Formats: sequence, C-alpha cells, structure tokens
Amino acid sequence: AQSVTQLDSHVSVSEGTPVLLRCNYSSSYSPSLFWYVQHPNKGLQLLLKYTSAATLVKGINGFEAEFKKSETSFHLTKPSAHMSDAAEYFCVVSDTVLSNTGNQFYFGTGTSLTVIP
Amino acid sequence: DAGVIQSPRHEVTEMGQEVTLRCKPISGHNSLFWYRQTMMRGLELLIYFNNNVPIDDSGMPEDRFSAKMPNASFSTLKIQPSEPRDSAVYFCASSFSGPLNTGELFFGEGSRLTVL
Repeated sequence: AQSVTQLDSHVSVSEGTPVLLRCNYSSSYSPSLFWYVQHPNKGLQLLLKYTSAATLVKGINGFEAEFKKSETSFHLTKPSAHMSDAAEYFCVVSDTVLSNTGNQFYFGTGTSLTVIP
Repeated sequence: DAGVIQSPRHEVTEMGQEVTLRCKPISGHNSLFWYRQTMMRGLELLIYFNNNVPIDDSGMPEDRFSAKMPNASFSTLKIQPSEPRDSAVYFCASSFSGPLNTGELFFGEGSRLTVL
C-alpha cells in the first residue's frame, strides 16, 4: 500500500533562515514523488518532482528535495526562507506501474509554513 | 495551454438546490481527478477517471454526489440536493499517465461552494 506521512503539521521559521519540511513515504513499487505548494485561496502548484532520475531534485523558488530510498524520505529544503514562502505544502507519492487504469496519487496531510519577519 | 479550467469559481446556493461544477482538463491528459478541501477534513479525493472511465469513486460521500466525463475535454461534478456540510473548495486536476510514466497533477483554481 502507498502512503505519505508529513511529520510536521506546522513549521515556523524566521525570514532568511533555512526551511526543512519532512516527508516519509511507503510504496510497494518504484515511486514518483512530488511536492506541491498551496498559497491561501489558490490551487495547488507543483514545486518539484522525482521520477527515478537524479536523487537531488531542484524545483522552483529555490526549493529542492532529496530522495533517500534507504530512509524512505523525500524532505523539502530551502536555504533561506522568504516571506512569500508562507503557504501549505503537500508531499505526494504515486506509483509507476504497468497499469491501464492510470496512476493514483497519495497526498500527505500538509505542512503549514509560517515565515516570521 | 490555459491549464485546467474550472467553473464557476464561486457559488453560493441554498440547501436543497442542485449544484453543478465543471472542469476542462489540459488537452492530451488522460486522467482527471476531483478533490474536495475543507479545514476540517483537508484534501480528499472524491473520484478519478482514466480515459473518461471512472476508476475509483470510493471517495464520493453519498448518492447525492455524481460525476461524469462524457469526453476527454469535459467533466462535471453534481450535488443534488446540496447541504450546508457540502460547503468546501472543489478542485479538479488532470495528468497524463501511461505505462512506466507518471506525469504530475495539474490543478485548477478551484470552485468555492457555499451552501446556506
């Protein structure tokens, strides 16, 4: 079975300090992993994705994530937080399988990031 | 491409009325998903289609909810009759998936439903 655990429901950082949002997953197959961001009253936007290429993935707005198979983790980081990073972040896993029914996506419960000026 | 297009963006209706939400996926995508988001329950998958066929509707709350995808470029989510507890933001998302290939989900801006 596939599942995603976001270890922190809320994270608060000061502007200019590093951001770490943690995500662990379980997957029976070779997973694809994604991070999405949702700003208030907006839809979800893709930050970055891992699909079995390089394990360190760079995304938009200075975010990156590292796929660690041995730890079943896909933590999201950013060296220096900006006020505009305040949002909800979702970690998502999907299995790449031979299927004629499409791929399902499994969402974590989200992490709310607050950036303190 | 214009992205996933949802309408209406906002709807306010009275309990008992029928509500129809619409979605146009990105051209070429073969999977379409309907999600509901509330403060209490977070983001929930209601139903997803692959090649216009409903694959998993286990998230549909009850018989008052129905979804259709008559062709590759259009889907509807209908609530009849609506109740106050249906108030939420409803998101449509689409993706392309094939054997050994998982494309990411592209989300619409959402339809904010308020049932009085």
